[in-house]
Amino acid sequence: GIQVEQSPPDLILQEGANSTLRCNFSDSVNNLQWFHQNPWGQLINLFYIPSGTKQNGRLSATTVATERYSLLYISSSQTTDSGVYFCAVDGDDYKLSFGAGTTVTVRA
Amino acid sequence: DVKVTQSSRYLVKRTGEKVFLECVQDMDHENMFWYRQDPGLGLRLIYFSYDVKMKEKGDIPEGYSVSREKKERFSLILESASTNQTSMYLCASSFRDNLNYGYTFGSGTRLTVV
Repeated sequence: GIQVEQSPPDLILQEGANSTLRCNFSDSVNNLQWFHQNPWGQLINLFYIPSGTKQNGRLSATTVATERYSLLYISSSQTTDSGVYFCAVDGDDYKLSFGAGTTVTVRA
Repeated sequence: DVKVTQSSRYLVKRTGEKVFLECVQDMDHENMFWYRQDPGLGLRLIYFSYDVKMKEKGDIPEGYSVSREKKERFSLILESASTNQTSMYLCASSFRDNLNYGYTFGSGTRLTVV
């Protein structure tokens, strides 16, 4: 299957700071998604972004498919942004392969 | 509000027991998935299903089986639970069209095998 690497593994932010999370993948993909898992374990779909750039409020994402990476930007971070951010990709078979995640802690 | 519902939030079972984890979705999605989540490993796919009575193995199917008798329900079965199956289990359903790809997860079942 497609290998997915996320960096950094852990990130500690002061409230109001900006940050960038990175996702590298090993092969061409039909689908790339970013998820946020809150401290209670619920996974929420943030972006469907196989290529290009999207923005949703303080979050935005960019995928450069030809170079096999995606970036998730968090601006003006808030404590509610804490949790684990996962990148997941699939090729032709609808099976998502997940990275190990980036654990973000935002301190007040 | 659309939902994927998992039958139990926490479950404790004994080694050797047969365990059923139930998942129901109300979105009429074709695709359903079972993942397990372990610290530092992300989510790993156990089994998935594209249609009723259809199933395919994921990356770690050993020790598990599944059943999909109705479109809305996808069950994960641990034939003989072992301590290394202690984990968080997450069910998901998905759709895809020309513009979007929706993936919805349940809240998870934290299974402890003692």
